[in-house]
Amino acid sequence: QLQLQESGPGLVKPSETLSLTCTVSGGSLSSGTSYWGWIRQPPGKGPQYIGTIYYTGSTFYNPSLRSRLTLSVDTSKNQFSLKVSSVTAADTALYYCARDPGQVADIRSFDLWGHGTMVTVSS
Amino acid sequence: ELVLTQSPGTLSLSPGERATLSCRASHNFGSRYLAWYQQKPGQAPRLLIYGTSSRATGIPDRFSGSGSETDFTLTISRLEPEDFAVYYCQQYGSSPLYTFGQGTKLEIK
Repeated sequence: QLQLQESGPGLVKPSETLSLTCTVSGGSLSSGTSYWGWIRQPPGKGPQYIGTIYYTGSTFYNPSLRSRLTLSVDTSKNQFSLKVSSVTAADTALYYCARDPGQVADIRSFDLWGHGTMVTVSS
Repeated sequence: ELVLTQSPGTLSLSPGERATLSCRASHNFGSRYLAWYQQKPGQAPRLLIYGTSSRATGIPDRFSGSGSETDFTLTISRLEPEDFAVYYCQQYGSSPLYTFGQGTKLEIK
């Protein structure tokens, strides 16, 4: 059964770069069936789309975050990663990785999520 | 930029009652890719409905979705105790590529 697990530092200083990794287990990230996404949720607020990546490395970014985002994929490790540069307190949120099986199922929504990892931006 | 507005912000109902949740788009995003999620405290969102009206795997048939253009609805026909949670709608296709609403909290009356 496919599972996703986020990992990375829980505390990042202002102006530094937030780095998270999502490990896919129970299946192959490079099967080509899915887009792999990052979504964040500030405390008490709704989810916000960050970006998605395909196993080939094609990326789709939220325009409001694009200038600070880097998504990458490592098929040998079955992982994909997120970097957000120049973070501020506004980047404090619960960060989720998730799957959109958009290549094999016409749903274009996230049907599988990790448990999420809390990232706090503070000095 | 597309904005999804959910109403009401909080809905207070009793088990057994019918719940109707609304999601309105700021403009017609021209696709049927409207989804609904349920989120309980300490958990990730769970996909309930995709493509406006299709239930995700394992979702009971008391959950149904409908709508078109800018107005969409999630209906829970008979509330069970486990249905009390926060619900989010989400569109795909307009910028940003995926947009979520701000949520409706369904609480026990």
